[in-house]
Amino acid sequence: GENVEQHPSTLSVQEGDSAVIKCTYSDSASNYFPWYKQELGKRPQLIIDIRSNVGEKKDQRIAVTLNKTAKHFSLHITETQPEDSAVYFCAAAQNTGNQFYFGTGTSLTVIP
Amino acid sequence: GAVVSQHPSWVICKSGTSVKIECRSLDFQATTMFWYRQFPKQSLMLMATSNEGSKATYEQGVEKDKFLINHASLTLSTLTVTSAHPEDSSFYICSARGTSGSTDTQYFGPGTRLTVL
Repeated sequence: GENVEQHPSTLSVQEGDSAVIKCTYSDSASNYFPWYKQELGKRPQLIIDIRSNVGEKKDQRIAVTLNKTAKHFSLHITETQPEDSAVYFCAAAQNTGNQFYFGTGTSLTVIP
Repeated sequence: GAVVSQHPSWVICKSGTSVKIECRSLDFQATTMFWYRQFPKQSLMLMATSNEGSKATYEQGVEKDKFLINHASLTLSTLTVTSAHPEDSSFYICSARGTSGSTDTQYFGPGTRLTVL
């Protein structure tokens, strides 16, 4: 089965700085990679996703890059704000509608 | 947008009792739903895939006789934790597969917090 690893487990940055979270996956058949933000006790919220036919995708302050050969993908948040503080999960799946395999999560703290 | 609800949002029960959690897609039909479990400060672990009208597919290590899944309609899947014990205390989240435009995607429910005393 798929195995997704995520680093770092915790990350603290000063407001305005950038944050980078990295994930690796094991199954070359995975072709869909969403990123979720989860606040304490709440459901995961999709913030950005990327498919294997694309190397990079950007949405305002958030960007995701994918290296299929190396089987890793990364989340980049620029100009961080305190409201970006949350736990972020990466996931991998074979197509968008199939089961997701999540990384272990990164707790991001943005210090004002 | 697509909405998925779960009921109850929080349940406390005594050890040995059974608890049923409902997952509903409110404004779309979901032939497939997924059940995840999340322990405090840990990731979401896929438990099983629930397909309408057929038996659920369980992930390795998940006891199918303990976690009964029923997907009787296109808008409802239920997870029953049988003979619950304190170690079953967790946050249970479902997701439903729906269509956004021409693409399948998953919509997550708000989760159910189970506490077994």
